[in-house]
Amino acid sequence: IAGITQAPTSQILAAGRRMTLRCTQDMRHNAMYWYRQDLGLGLRLIHYSNTAGTTGKGEVPDGYSVSRANTDDFPLTLASAVPSQTSVYFCASSPAGAKHNEQFFGPGTRLTVL
Amino acid sequence: KNQVEQSPQSLIILEGKNCTLQCNYTVSPFSNLRWYKQDTGRGPVSLTIMTFSENTKSNGRYTATLDADTKQSSLHITASQLSDSASYICVVSGESWGKLQFGAGTQVVVTP
Repeated sequence: IAGITQAPTSQILAAGRRMTLRCTQDMRHNAMYWYRQDLGLGLRLIHYSNTAGTTGKGEVPDGYSVSRANTDDFPLTLASAVPSQTSVYFCASSPAGAKHNEQFFGPGTRLTVL
Repeated sequence: KNQVEQSPQSLIILEGKNCTLQCNYTVSPFSNLRWYKQDTGRGPVSLTIMTFSENTKSNGRYTATLDADTKQSSLHITASQLSDSASYICVVSGESWGKLQFGAGTQVVVTP
């Protein structure tokens, strides 16, 4: 059982380049989330999806976009990367909404934008 | 201002000793409070989830307490082991559709 996988594990990217972080879960969870984690700060929600075909903005959505074409995949795209997007990105999923349900996190993608 | 504050930021303890981590929150209305363990280079893993009606919950050597009146929670680690070295994150669920508020975490280092 893989749970949640993320790819790549790490990436160094030139500013202005486009980048897609991949996230796949095999637990058939309805809800999925993207967070970023920066030193000294708590995880911050970028975008979320309550079910396939729907997405919503989180706390820090600017510069990021997501899609949810099916239950398993939830890619995060940086259209034109900037150095402030250097961070560790975590994908998570939960059976339904996060209010009452445990979230399961992927291993993270460490992104450096130069 | 972060609605979930954790203390201390970091601590070092000797293997076999106990320690207690603190979490104060201002999130309202309150639904539940969670503690996660995050090993270096890994994603967070859930330890406990408590609703407002629960005031204590255990998971092995980890015991979480909750005082919803004072909006405080603690995580107690008993007989620490080297594998307890990690960041411990307090997370509060408040808004109806499920946004979670994450604390910055307490970094625990257990030394032999």
